[in-house]
Amino acid sequence: DGGITQSPKYLFRKEGQNVTLSCEQNLNHDAMYWYRQDPGQGLRLIYYSQIVNDFQKGDIAEGYSVSREKKESFPLTVTSAQKNPTAFYLCASSPRLAGEVWDTQYFGPGTRLTVL
Amino acid sequence: AQSVTQLGSHVSVSEGALVLLRCNYSSSVPPYLFWYVQYPNQGLQLLLKYTSAATLVKGINDFEAEFKKSETSFHLTKPSAHMSDAAEYFCAVINLSGGYNKLIFGAGTRLAVHP
Repeated sequence: DGGITQSPKYLFRKEGQNVTLSCEQNLNHDAMYWYRQDPGQGLRLIYYSQIVNDFQKGDIAEGYSVSREKKESFPLTVTSAQKNPTAFYLCASSPRLAGEVWDTQYFGPGTRLTVL
Repeated sequence: AQSVTQLGSHVSVSEGALVLLRCNYSSSVPPYLFWYVQYPNQGLQLLLKYTSAATLVKGINDFEAEFKKSETSFHLTKPSAHMSDAAEYFCAVINLSGGYNKLIFGAGTRLAVHP
């Protein structure tokens, strides 16, 4: 089955700790994305990547970092610099970053991060 | 720049009633519009998308949406609600500025279906 997997589903972190969220896709998509979801605010883009070893900041990149060493993997690290990290994090992928405008983004099941 | 506004953060309907979720867009160019559904603690699933081929777009689970340029709207409808339709629904538009196809999401509408 092709799709996007995220792990873990739930994650708890103490203040001051870095934590890494996993995202893997086997859809052979070039582009991958990380979104943050807060109640009543929709989704906001954190980082995106259109190719291996390349990634760009989205709208709310401060306090986050990513890597793209493999086409199928795009892990997100939430650093201690992120002031309010408790949220639901969604990873997505699409065939191309700047392909046809109707290229669909496919989403993973999400990781809920809670800072204690 | 493109944007979407979803009217009503919460909508409640009876099982079997018409579902109407409202989305208005702002765009200086022909928009490309999407509706996604999110079930509790899950990711987003594409319901349907408008790509200018037809103004009435049919999606999964009997949902459909009509693009109305004169009203700058892309409202989502379903003739008869099921309990399983209870979820959060997001309207989104593609933002073509910035060199890539960026999805801009509305704030979401939570649909409740009661017996």
